[in-house]
This record gives sequence, structure tokens and C-alpha cells, in this order.
Amino acid sequence: EAQVTQNPRYLITVTGKKLTVTCSQNMNHEYMSWYRQDPGLGLRQIYYSMNVEVTDKGDVPEGYKVSRKEKRNFPLILESPSPNQTSLYFCATSPLPSGTDTQYFGPGTRLTVL
Amino acid sequence: AQTVTQSQPEMSVQEAETVTLSCTYDTSESDYYLFWYKQPPSRQMILVIRQEAYKQQNATENRFSVNFQKAAKSFSLKISDSQLGDAAMYFCAYPYSNQFYFGTGTSLTVIP
Repeated sequence: EAQVTQNPRYLITVTGKKLTVTCSQNMNHEYMSWYRQDPGLGLRQIYYSMNVEVTDKGDVPEGYKVSRKEKRNFPLILESPSPNQTSLYFCATSPLPSGTDTQYFGPGTRLTVL
Repeated sequence: AQTVTQSQPEMSVQEAETVTLSCTYDTSESDYYLFWYKQPPSRQMILVIRQEAYKQQNATENRFSVNFQKAAKSFSLKISDSQLGDAAMYFCAYPYSNQFYFGTGTSLTVIP
């Protein structure tokens, strides 16, 4: 079954404690991306990757890091989480490197930073 | 940053009736895709419909159709014969310069 998986699905943590949210896909898609969703703001892109070892900033990259060492995985790293990073996070993939085609989403990760 | 505007934060529709959700966007490109996504209470993002801007014909997927007005940069979603399962948040989205932009969403309530 073609899918995008994220782990963990729910996470409560404290300010400053480093965390990683994993994202993995089995669709052999070139493009991967991270979004955060906040009430009234829709989804906003944090980082995206058009290929292995190629990553670029989206609209809200501050406080986040990513890496793309292999095609199927695209982890999101919060080195020092703060309460304003409390949000719902989505990983997504797209078949074209440009990301201009349909985005296929993971189930989401609900993060709470105390 | 590119803008996608959904001017209706909330809408409601009677079961079996038709409802139209509006979306406007801003792009200088001539060839692009436009998308509507549905987010039910489960929070999963589900593709509803996709429109290719170079195609004159409006996209249709079963009870869902779009009214695409390229010159006006308008991309509305029409849901016919509304069902209780259509209750969700709906997002309009489009890609530009390797990024993906979403509107702020319209919350649709279906009244039995």
C-alpha cells in the first residue's frame, strides 16, 4: 500500500528538549515537504526537498532543521522547541521534483511544547 | 509569498443541497495546477479535486466540481447532493516556484 508515515503521531515535550519527527514514504516520490497547521492560518510550508541532499526553506523555517540523506526519509528536527512550535505537523510527498503535482500527506503529528 | 484567499471561514448546507466554496489566488504563471483538499475530523488531508490551468474544461469528480475562472484567478468548489460525510474543513491550494500554498480553509457543516 502506497503511504506516507509519520512518527510519533502525538508528542508532548518541554521547552528546549530536542526532538525529531520522522517521515517515510514508499512511493518513490522525488519531492518531500513539511507543513505546520495552526487555527486560522491554514497549512504553511516549513521546508521542502526536491531530491536527495537538496533541501530549501519554505515560508516558516525558523526553529526547524531537516535532512534528506535518502529518498524515502525526510525527518523534521526541532533543536530547541518552544511553545510557539505547538502545532499540527504534516509531511507530504509529490511525484515531481518541482512539487507542482498532487501532494500526498501523512497522518499528521500533534506536537505540544510546554 | 504567494496568496490564496478563502473568504468564507464557515459555511453550512442542508443535506442533499448544493454548496459552493470560493477561492482566489495570485500567480503570474500561465500553466499550473490548482487543488482542493478536504480535512475531516480525523485530520487526514484528502485530495478532493485537481484542475490543470491550461485545460478549458472544469474538473469533475463525482459530486464535486470546480468553476475555474483563469482570468479572474478564481477556483471555486461546488459540492452537489451534500452528504453528512462532506462535513470537514476544505482547503484550496496551488504550487508556485517549488512551494505549495494553502488558503486558510472553509469549515463546512452539513445539516441533516
